[in-house]
Amino acid sequence: DQQVKQNSPSLSVQEGRISILNCDYTNSMFDYFLWYKKYPAEGPTFLISISSIKDKNEDGRFTVFLNKSAKHLSLHIVPSQPGDSAVYFCAASGWGSQGNLIFGKGTKLSVKP
Amino acid sequence: NAGVTQTPKFRVLKTGQSMTLLCAQDMNHEYMYWYRQDPGMGLRLIHYSVGEGTTAKGEVPDGYNVSRLKKQNFLLGLESAAPSQTSVYFCASSYSRGGYEQYFGPGTRLTVT
Repeated sequence: DQQVKQNSPSLSVQEGRISILNCDYTNSMFDYFLWYKKYPAEGPTFLISISSIKDKNEDGRFTVFLNKSAKHLSLHIVPSQPGDSAVYFCAASGWGSQGNLIFGKGTKLSVKP
Repeated sequence: NAGVTQTPKFRVLKTGQSMTLLCAQDMNHEYMYWYRQDPGMGLRLIHYSVGEGTTAKGEVPDGYNVSRLKKQNFLLGLESAAPSQTSVYFCASSYSRGGYEQYFGPGTRLTVT
């Protein structure tokens, strides 16, 4: 049973527009959520995170929103740039995972010039 | 400061052969992890370690063994490789668990024929 779901395998966006990547989770014991970005032939790199006590966290062009009642989080990238083209993984951790990260399957973002 | 390094980068094995993947980190992190990434499956935790001399099973531990004899190194062993173990393997480390980000290595692409 998938505890962290990224239901969109891919997303295509025009340069300069907003990219919205979505993630849903099922385990209410998760209390920390992270987004990772992965380029081909490289390891994932940490992008941004949010604690369950917050509903929004911003870092430059990247903002993560958390809706605990809906068990949903989203990553907004504004404005999108061609260099943002990568696979984005959502991950969650908490008592329900013994502190380990549980990853979604990823969403491949393509930003067209 | 190299971060997390993995050796080798690529390897082809025949069914039944054995090999060891080496992970090293220079960030003095207590926690280390081994993941595998398969197409459409995201990252799945194989084994992890919460400190020198300790190891624990993750989500998909069967067919793998690990050792953490030194704080900076985490070894992943395949005693008798199977085609189902064809995957990209990532090592990661973190200061702690839960809300702390994990730093990933560049990956090892393993093919078992």
